[in-house]
Amino acid sequence: KAGVTQTPRYLIKTRGQQVTLSCSPISGHRSVSWYQQTPGQGLQFLFEYFSETQRNKGNFPGRFSGRQFSNSRSEMNVSTLELGDSALYLCASSLDPGETQYFGPGTRLLVL
Amino acid sequence: GESVGLHLPTLSVQEGDNSIINCAYSNSASDYFIWYKQESGKGPQFIIDIRSNMDKRQGQRVTVLLNKTVKHLSLQIAATQPGDSAVYFCAEGFYSSASKIIFGSGTRLSIRP
Repeated sequence: KAGVTQTPRYLIKTRGQQVTLSCSPISGHRSVSWYQQTPGQGLQFLFEYFSETQRNKGNFPGRFSGRQFSNSRSEMNVSTLELGDSALYLCASSLDPGETQYFGPGTRLLVL
Repeated sequence: GESVGLHLPTLSVQEGDNSIINCAYSNSASDYFIWYKQESGKGPQFIIDIRSNMDKRQGQRVTVLLNKTVKHLSLQIAATQPGDSAVYFCAEGFYSSASKIIFGSGTRLSIRP
């Protein structure tokens, strides 16, 4: 069974731009969570989606948003990018909320 | 408040020896704990988890110990191998918050030949 896939793997943007990251969960997994990883803040929870609904949200500004499609694939969007948004964005999927999460390789975003 | 931390940021172990990675947590309401391994350029990889009503759980070459009295969690890796080199994160999970997981800051494990 294929693991969690994320696209793109690397991305360079400039301040003020917006970006959309994509995540395809493991087949059969219905819950998708997003995390931001930086050297200074570590791994921080962004949000969780299940059945196309956002069930949980971390402490991030409204510039960070996401959605989930009927096939459980998920996207996250960051608008008006700031330098501090440079990070590794990780997607994790699980069968259902509360089950073991399996992470993808991440998308490394660099904001210049 | 919610916080998960690690005692040591780096750990160097002789190949073949056992490794012990420690983690302290502050939230008594956590329902389960997880250990993840992250190699360079990869996402975190699930190693083992333990429910808060347990005090020990064993996997393949790994053992997790939970001491709720002192809010301490440890990961023991037997016969450490070069492939064990990675950053290890402990994390706590809450069923009431579904898939929300709070990660610790991580410990880098390096293996000496």
